[in-house]
Amino acid sequence: EPEVTQTPSHQVTQMGQEVILRCVPISNHLYFYWYRQILGQKVEFLVSFYNNEISEKSEIFDDQFSVERPDGSNFTLKIRSTKLEDSAMYFCASSERQGWGYTFGSGTRLTVV
Amino acid sequence: AQSVTQLDSQVPVFEEAPVELRCNYSSSVSVYLFWYVQYPNQGLQLLLKYLSGSTLVESINGFEAEFNKSQTSFHLRKPSVHISDTAEYFCAVSPLNTGTASKLTFGTGTRLQVTL
Repeated sequence: EPEVTQTPSHQVTQMGQEVILRCVPISNHLYFYWYRQILGQKVEFLVSFYNNEISEKSEIFDDQFSVERPDGSNFTLKIRSTKLEDSAMYFCASSERQGWGYTFGSGTRLTVV
Repeated sequence: AQSVTQLDSQVPVFEEAPVELRCNYSSSVSVYLFWYVQYPNQGLQLLLKYLSGSTLVESINGFEAEFNKSQTSFHLRKPSVHISDTAEYFCAVSPLNTGTASKLTFGTGTRLQVTL
């Protein structure tokens, strides 16, 4: 069964450093998403991406965040200057159809120290 | 905008007992409904979904959920749970036909703890 692949599975970074979280969505999917889950809390939407541009972003997704689909296969989330409160599990998802059929990756646990 | 309420943060239950995890939603537009399961230290796995048609949907491992439009609910049930069902369960919705990528809105999750 096709999978969404995320790398790395764990990342530890120092506050103020830039991090790039990588995702390889399912190849025929057209819609891409990032979500995050702070430990013990609910899964929160960050951003959606379609047709090479951001479709929607949440208030969490401020100027420190950016997304890119650089080569037609990878989908990356960059955090420019990490803060302690960015520590969370970050999930990438893709879907073939609008509104349903999401497949989630297994997540990247980001720890900012 | 959509919101999802899962009233029970934790549900302890004995093995082979029935269980119901409650989910209510609020939306100004029609939505698709989902249940996701998250086992310890793992990602989100789709358990079942309601898109249209029969209001009762089933998963391959014995869970079922019923969409009740009048009560805006999508409760998850299983007649007999197993130890391996211990996990966090998230209810989620996404709006129909937005014309672009549609985000999922999640509830806060219910931790199902099955014991012997």
